[in-house]
Amino acid sequence: GAVVSQHPSWVICKSGTSVKIECRSLDFQATTMFWYRQFPKQSLMLMATSNEGSKATYEQGVEKDKFLINHASLTLSTLTVTSAHPEDSSFYICSASGTDNSYEQYFGPGTRLTVT
Amino acid sequence: RKEVEQDPGPFNVPEGATVAFNCTYSNSASQSFFWYRQDCRKEPKLLMSVYSSGNEDGRFTAQLNRASQYISLLIRDSKLSDSATYLCVVNMAGAGKSTFGDGTTLTVKP
Repeated sequence: GAVVSQHPSWVICKSGTSVKIECRSLDFQATTMFWYRQFPKQSLMLMATSNEGSKATYEQGVEKDKFLINHASLTLSTLTVTSAHPEDSSFYICSASGTDNSYEQYFGPGTRLTVT
Repeated sequence: RKEVEQDPGPFNVPEGATVAFNCTYSNSASQSFFWYRQDCRKEPKLLMSVYSSGNEDGRFTAQLNRASQYISLLIRDSKLSDSATYLCVVNMAGAGKSTFGDGTTLTVKP
């Protein structure tokens, strides 16, 4: 099956610093990648949808200047949390869908961010 | 009203039990439907797609009722390893992005 990787798997950073999370589709070309955030005991909340070579589409309430998304190639998307604060601590998960229009999403293993 | 609503759970069942989850969606233009499974502190993994004709995969059966706008997941002969959160996922035609339900937590006990 399709494999999506995320790096790092966990990160601890100080308040005010920026953190970059990478999402890669390893064995397929991902035309669309999605970034989710999940707080404990809650469901996934879509943050943004990114298509290769174009600007990401952010969901309502998600600050695009704080959560910078770059989807420079068909296999790589990055999410940068700028000026992180403790309330940004969460589980960030990316997913990717291929070119087959099946809408099936393949999820990365997630990145657990803790801001101190 | 949420776009996708699931049984609130949690469901606590003994091994061997049959358990069913329902999920309703509000947008009649929804096209694709899935059940995902998420273990604690892990990413969601696709359990099965849901088709109008219904589909079965071993102990798991998924059904779609477009008229009533709900999908269901039936698990027969529950195993301890079935303990997880089950997420209902709905896609609108052409939208690409998915809408997730809040999930239903299942705990299977010996």
